[in-house]
Amino acid sequence: SAVISQKPSRDICQRGTSLTIQCQVDSQVTMMFWYRQQPGQSLTLIATANQGSEATYESGFVIDKFPISRPNLTFSTLTVSNMSPEDSSIYLCSVRPLGQNTEAFFGQGTRLTVV
Amino acid sequence: GNSVTQMEGPVTLSEEAFLTINCTYTATGYPSLFWYVQYPGEGLQLLLKATKADDKGSNKGFEATYRKETTSFHLEKGSVQVSDSAVYFCALSPVSGGYNKLIFGAGTRLAVHP
Repeated sequence: SAVISQKPSRDICQRGTSLTIQCQVDSQVTMMFWYRQQPGQSLTLIATANQGSEATYESGFVIDKFPISRPNLTFSTLTVSNMSPEDSSIYLCSVRPLGQNTEAFFGQGTRLTVV
Repeated sequence: GNSVTQMEGPVTLSEEAFLTINCTYTATGYPSLFWYVQYPGEGLQLLLKATKADDKGSNKGFEATYRKETTSFHLEKGSVQVSDSAVYFCALSPVSGGYNKLIFGAGTRLAVHP
């Protein structure tokens, strides 16, 4: 299993500013995942963060808007840049061991409100 | 492509009622199927899973059977409790094209009243 600490747990930000979300895992993992959960909706994968290489972004998400760092095997950050009210969501960090049948573990999420 | 469709919520039940939350999927081959639960203010956690056709996953009184013929993975519980109030997500792990990704349904909110 894995325990994931995510911070901040919530924030209210002004439009046009940026927020960096931190994700710390209690064990070394190869891949870390960042999801967005818009109000009342499901989880959408933003990107996969690999240590030592550029993150892989899903369709509709770009590095300029959501830069990701992965400095080591237990830590990652996601920045939401130049925020607008449409960025108001819950952002979730997740890890999952390699394999089709493995369980994914999630942080508690960061609830972001952009005003 | 791969996708998951869940019944819309919210589902509102009285304590001890029977619960069914429908989930169907579209995928090639034999994906692995999961149910995750999100309690208020918390992250998602695995409830149960099934990795091949006719497998039944079970946990905490919840069950779901992997039905290849109907491409379904419906969640059931015989007698719900107030503590089961949460959002339930059906998800699949595809066979190919990045098998470490999970694809989620829209989620179904369950509210159980005493």
